[in-house]
Amino acid sequence: QVQLVQSGAEVKKPGSSVKVSCKASGGTFNNYAIIWVRQAPGQGLEWMGRITPMLSIANYAQKFQGRVTITADPSTNTVYMDLTTLRSEDTAVYYCARDPCSRGLLLDHYMDIWGRGTTVTVSS
Amino acid sequence: QSVLTQPASVSGSPGQSIIISCIGTSSDVGGYNHVSWYQQHPGKAPKLLIYDVSNRPSGISDRFSGSKSGNTASLTISGLQAEDEADYYCNSYTITSSLEIFGGGTKVTVL
Repeated sequence: QVQLVQSGAEVKKPGSSVKVSCKASGGTFNNYAIIWVRQAPGQGLEWMGRITPMLSIANYAQKFQGRVTITADPSTNTVYMDLTTLRSEDTAVYYCARDPCSRGLLLDHYMDIWGRGTTVTVSS
Repeated sequence: QSVLTQPASVSGSPGQSIIISCIGTSSDVGGYNHVSWYQQHPGKAPKLLIYDVSNRPSGISDRFSGSKSGNTASLTISGLQAEDEADYYCNSYTITSSLEIFGGGTKVTVL
């Protein structure tokens, strides 16, 4: 069974960047897509972007365009989410999740496996 | 502000059935069958309950069911149990961006 293991909590200064990792274990990394979702304290889920490792194609929600970069390293089964120019409003739990792509390279457009989340705190 | 509209809260007594709505547009919920629902308990990661409008993943209780009519998707929880007290989110593919969007979430309280 595939598991997604995320990196540990981060505390960052405003204006800096953070890179969160998501390592897939127990499955063939290239056969699915990875999505990043965040949740600010007391708020709802926010879809940020996704990457299809096989194709190295990344797509981002408009809100995060220009500030977020999602990359994949197939050799280590790891996906990274890099968020720049951090501000206090970026304080949140960041989740990675899997789109199973059960029909080959076609997206299923749902998230069946989730990581435990990485807390990112932005504070001066 | 979320593009998909959910009620902020829904409550019910044990054993009752409740329905959570998710209102979108013809560009998302109404135009595609890529609607999914997630349950989230406090401090935990979300969990997939329903995908493709009405399909349940293996291991999900049949007390959870999904449907869609026009631009509105619905999640029904039958035989409400104390453990169902959680936040619930809908998600849909949208042609507007060719990405996915979440609803604002619904807090379910078991009275």
